Amino acid sequence: DQQVKQNSPSLSVQEGRISILNCDYTNSMFDYFLWYKKYPAEGPTFLISISSIKDKNEDGRFTVFLNKSAKHLSLHIVPSQPGDSAVYFCAATATGGSYIPTFGRGTSLIVHP
Amino acid sequence: ETGVTQTPRHLVMGMTNKKSLKCEQHLGHNAMYWYKQSAKKPLELMFVYNFKEQTENNSVPSRFSPECPNSSHLFLHLHTLQPEDSALYLCASSSDRSNEKLFFGSGTQLSVL
Repeated sequence: DQQVKQNSPSLSVQEGRISILNCDYTNSMFDYFLWYKKYPAEGPTFLISISSIKDKNEDGRFTVFLNKSAKHLSLHIVPSQPGDSAVYFCAATATGGSYIPTFGRGTSLIVHP
Repeated sequence: ETGVTQTPRHLVMGMTNKKSLKCEQHLGHNAMYWYKQSAKKPLELMFVYNFKEQTENNSVPSRFSPECPNSSHLFLHLHTLQPEDSALYLCASSSDRSNEKLFFGSGTQLSVL
């Protein structure tokens, strides 16, 4: 049973537009969420995170929104650039619980010039 | 450079071969991980070590044998692999506290013939 779900395996966006990547979770104990970005044949790299005490965290072109009641978070990239084309993984942890994150399946983002 | 180095980057082996993957981290982390990423599949956690002790073995076949001689080094010994074991093998490290991000290596792209 997947506790972290990324239901869209792929997303295609035009350069300059907004990319919205979604993530849902089922475990109500999760209270810290991370997004990782992965290029082909490379390891994932940390992108942005959010604690459950917040509903928004922004870092440059990247913003993560958290809706605790819906157990849903989203990553917004605006404006999208061709270099953003990668696989994006959502991950979640529970403070005081296991430090090992639970990952989603990933969403492949393609940004067209 | 993420501080986590994996060698080799690419490996081709026959089903009867024995090989080892190496991972080294210079980040002072206590926890080290092996993940497997197959094409179009999610990141699969294989093993976790914390302070050199194995804390997770995610039902991995015995043809994969991890070794953690110290908290900076992690190995994955491979023997009698199957073609379906072909994948990208990723090493990661983190502190053992919740809400800490993982630092991944670039991975070893393994092909089993």
